[in-house]
Amino acid sequence: AQSVAQPEDQVNVAEGNPLTVKCTYSVSGNPYLFWYVQYPNRGLQFLLKYITGDNLVKGSYGFEAEFNKSQTSFHLKKPSALVSDSALYFCAVRDVRDDKIIFGKGTRLHILP
Amino acid sequence: KAGVTQTPRYLIKTRGQQVTLSCSPISGHRSVSWYQQTPGQGLQFLFEYFSETQRNKGNFPGRFSGRQFSNSRSEMNVSTLELGDSALYLCASSLDRTNTGELFFGEGSRLTVL
Repeated sequence: AQSVAQPEDQVNVAEGNPLTVKCTYSVSGNPYLFWYVQYPNRGLQFLLKYITGDNLVKGSYGFEAEFNKSQTSFHLKKPSALVSDSALYFCAVRDVRDDKIIFGKGTRLHILP
Repeated sequence: KAGVTQTPRYLIKTRGQQVTLSCSPISGHRSVSWYQQTPGQGLQFLFEYFSETQRNKGNFPGRFSGRQFSNSRSEMNVSTLELGDSALYLCASSLDRTNTGELFFGEGSRLTVL
């Protein structure tokens, strides 16, 4: 079955340091992968997606993600964290059998000033 | 262009009651999906509608139902509410069903069941 896992419930990073939020997936066929962010009391906002092509995908707010097929991972990264990056981050994968988009349980990112 | 609009934003119900939530997608979007968000389970897929037809359904009991109207607006209904139904219900729209693009989410309807 298609699935996506975010192994960390929470990640703490000092402002200015690089950040990584981890995501691994399990899919049949070629994966369609997404990252979304949720700020307090708001809906989710799209950050970036991987469909095909370059393994390094650039998205909104300076975020990027690296697709690694051999490790079935799609980690979210940013070179220098901002306090305003503090939010809940969700990784998602498209289920090619029925086009459902399945979300991970989310990782709460805390950027410490 | 207006975003996805969900109403009501907050509501409180008691066990056994039923509730109807509404979602107006972005103009021109024909696909509407519903998700339940809880702290322990993250986002769980409820169902997806496209052109007034349910295309996908998640693993929720029959108490959860939905529909889509000809103008793409969607409603979901939960009957015989249980305490465990307390959650943030999110609606998302997309242009079509290819799902190679992104979902656009509303701010959600927060349901509390007492």
